[in-house]
Amino acid sequence: GENVGLHLPTLSVQEGDNSIINCAYSNSASDYFIWYKQESGKGPQFIIDIRSNMDKRQGQRVTVLLNKTVKHLSLQIAATQPGDSAVYFCAENRDSGNTPLVFGKGTRLSVIA
Amino acid sequence: EAGVTQFPSHSVIEKGQTVTLRCDPISGHDNLYWYRRVMGKEIKFLLHFVKESKQDESGMPNNRFLAERTGGTYSTLKVQPAELEDSGVYFCASSPGGEWGTFWDEQFFGPGTRLTVL
Repeated sequence: GENVGLHLPTLSVQEGDNSIINCAYSNSASDYFIWYKQESGKGPQFIIDIRSNMDKRQGQRVTVLLNKTVKHLSLQIAATQPGDSAVYFCAENRDSGNTPLVFGKGTRLSVIA
Repeated sequence: EAGVTQFPSHSVIEKGQTVTLRCDPISGHDNLYWYRRVMGKEIKFLLHFVKESKQDESGMPNNRFLAERTGGTYSTLKVQPAELEDSGVYFCASSPGGEWGTFWDEQFFGPGTRLTVL
């Protein structure tokens, strides 16, 4: 069936380096994508989102790239810090409006000091 | 402003027992969602309330799960009787509510309730 998934389950990055977390999706009808960060003992926290009519969106130290041709989503974190260590989930919203999110499995990012 | 809160934070019960999880959304949020994450797997949708009405319950695994949101404020999720495969982290999220098709509200998540069924 159609789902949102992740290429890599774990990622270790040196402090100060850039991190790239990838996500694949298969539903071409999805029009909204979100990245969440989940720290231990906490719920998912919104990081950044992007609509299907865009291919890039930047936030503070984070950039989301959307490639609709290959159905690929990525999260780039610049100058990765120890506080960035967490599990990152991509999620898609398959309908406009307030509808449930479909999550990928998550990638654990470990920052090496 | 207080965020989404969930109670309890942890629950350990034996197979066959009943457990009730509670979620208090952000005040004024019409939309309330229940999700769960079973060990090693992705977070999956269970149920969506708009105020006190069940908008979508397609993710509820079976009739052992019952969710309510009386009065459109807090919500409870009861599992009766609990089975081993119900173990996982149950998340609640809320969002203010917006016009369908024109605006998407960020879903704010609570810290989750970790349920262990022995």
